[in-house]
Amino acid sequence: KAGVTQTPRYLIKTRGQQVTLSCSPISGHRSVSWYQQTPGQGLQFLFEYFSETQRNKGNFPGRFSGRQFSNSRSEMNVSTLELGDSALYLCASSFGGLNYGYTFGSGTRLTVV
Amino acid sequence: DQQVKQNSPSLSVQEGRISILNCDYTNSMFDYFLWYKKYPAEGPTFLISISSIKDKNEDGRFTVFLNKSAKHLSLHIVPSQPGDSAVYFCAASVSNFGNEKLTFGTGTRLTIIP
Repeated sequence: KAGVTQTPRYLIKTRGQQVTLSCSPISGHRSVSWYQQTPGQGLQFLFEYFSETQRNKGNFPGRFSGRQFSNSRSEMNVSTLELGDSALYLCASSFGGLNYGYTFGSGTRLTVV
Repeated sequence: DQQVKQNSPSLSVQEGRISILNCDYTNSMFDYFLWYKKYPAEGPTFLISISSIKDKNEDGRFTVFLNKSAKHLSLHIVPSQPGDSAVYFCAASVSNFGNEKLTFGTGTRLTIIP
């Protein structure tokens, strides 16, 4: 079966702009989580959506937001981009949570200049 | 506040020998631990996990050990193979009936020397 698909793979944006990243989970998975990976910080949890509802949220400013659609696809939005937002953004999908395991996509590499 | 720590950014091991990757955590509420492996330009892939009710879990060449009193876990890979060269992340979670998030360490880059 198809894996977790993230688009686009690479993105370059200018400071102050906004960006939207997309994640299509594995068919049948209802949970989508987003993580930010930066050098020296590892993967940091942004938020998790389950059946279109945000179930959990990490410690990121309000410029980071997300949503999930009825088909479980999820989008993540970052407004007023800062240089420090440059990172690999990873999405993980799961049928229902930790006990079912998480499958990660290949990520979107965002560069803010 | 780094609740999950991997203090060795890199590790080099001879092919065929044992690789031992270490991870420490500070949050005593964590009750489920995982190891992920990541190649460049790919997402992390799940390797092995362990619940806090166990102190060891094996899957083929991979064994994870958990020492709750020391808040320490380790991943053993025996024998190490060139394809094991990757970045390894340990992660921890508090079981919450599906409403969990993973807290990751900063990763250890493992290089297997042929």
